[in-house]
Amino acid sequence: SAVISQKPSRDICQRGTSLTIQCQVDSQVTMMFWYRQQPGQSLTLIATANQGSEATYESGFVIDKFPISRPNLTFSTLTVSNMSPEDSSIYLCSASGIINTGELFFGEGSRLTVL
Amino acid sequence: GEDVEQSLFLSVREGDSSVINCTYTDSSSTYLYWYKQEPGAGLQLLTYIFSNMDMKQDQRLTVLLNKKDKHLSLRIADTQTGDSAIYFCAERMDSSYKLIFGSGTRLLVRP
Repeated sequence: SAVISQKPSRDICQRGTSLTIQCQVDSQVTMMFWYRQQPGQSLTLIATANQGSEATYESGFVIDKFPISRPNLTFSTLTVSNMSPEDSSIYLCSASGIINTGELFFGEGSRLTVL
Repeated sequence: GEDVEQSLFLSVREGDSSVINCTYTDSSSTYLYWYKQEPGAGLQLLTYIFSNMDMKQDQRLTVLLNKKDKHLSLRIADTQTGDSAIYFCAERMDSSYKLIFGSGTRLLVRP
């Protein structure tokens, strides 16, 4: 199984600032994803992080608000830009294995509180 | 459209079996997943089942899939207090890796 580490694990941010979340996987993976879990809610896919090209965003999410990088097979970042209290959520990184076993793993999440 | 539904809450006594149910709408799902989320933690992959299977067992966990009714269940045998958590059902669409999650079922195990 893949071990996924996220930093920071939690942060308190001021309105209007931006924060970058890092995701590191301990093995090469084919696919990496970013999800959002709003308080008391289920998970919603933000985007697929593509290596060496622009991320693929889901409906309702845009690059200007959530820029994503994936410079190699094991690392990705998500930036939450110009934050407002509505962005207070847990942001989770997910990854698949290099071989299509069906397994999809998640990191511990980054809990952001925007004041 | 894509929709995954779960009951919100389940309470069982320690040592009993727990059954968490899930229904989904998209018949093109390839894999179906069960994740566990403990307070303040991320998602732990418990088990998953390929859509051409109807049952999968892994130690205390049994997954049943009724593809005709689009119904998935997770049975936890000999439920322990450490099993108290939120359990999410998720379906993976077709050939993509996108997961559609249910709202989660909060399992409370009473001593």
